Amino acid sequence: QSALTQPASVSGSPGQSITISCTGTSSDVGSYNLVSWYQQHPGKAPKLMIYEVSKRPSGVSNRFSGSKSGNTASLTISGLQAEDEADYYCCSYAGSSTFYVVFGGGTKLTVL
Amino acid sequence: EVQLVESGGGLVQPGRSLRLSCAASGFTFDDYAMHWVRQAPGKGLEWVSGISWNSGSIGYADSVKGRFTISRDNAKNSLYLQMNSLRAEDTALYYCALGPAMDVWGKGTTVTVSS
Repeated sequence: QSALTQPASVSGSPGQSITISCTGTSSDVGSYNLVSWYQQHPGKAPKLMIYEVSKRPSGVSNRFSGSKSGNTASLTISGLQAEDEADYYCCSYAGSSTFYVVFGGGTKLTVL
Repeated sequence: EVQLVESGGGLVQPGRSLRLSCAASGFTFDDYAMHWVRQAPGKGLEWVSGISWNSGSIGYADSVKGRFTISRDNAKNSLYLQMNSLRAEDTALYYCALGPAMDVWGKGTTVTVSS
């Protein structure tokens, strides 16, 4: 199983919207609505932002949204704020006959 | 409060073994699948292993298959990772994470494999 593909970096100005893509295959992203997104600030543990493609955990701002089309999932952050600057990782269930999960390589979001 | 606390990390020589533990509290441990995820210095997240609530379904990343063994003790609210034949490339911060969507993460325990 290969890692999911994410852009290494994206950037945007405060108030703008950005989208981070996460491309997998028909064996992972394309087969399961079990894509999650995590935010990680330097020196901190990851935080779940989106699960099951588009669901937001309690407490996560509605500025964060997720979607999926075919083998590609996306995370959109609207109304960018300085505190959104972080690394973002996508993750997908990828097991068919076994328990298997795969992460993306991560995307560094810079708020200009 | 839901809490996960990892322990057992340290400095170990290549080829040796180490056992990580994750103590869970604040939720019904045996209702949830659990995962181990690692992060090498300056690198991204890598899923290592996962286990279903009743240990009936277990999986491993290709990079650790045959060397690492995940287990859980629901009576002790604990998750474990037995790591054998350790390599330099296993050096990382190891996190345990709760649930199929990894809703909650611990702070991690550091494993350094070096001679």
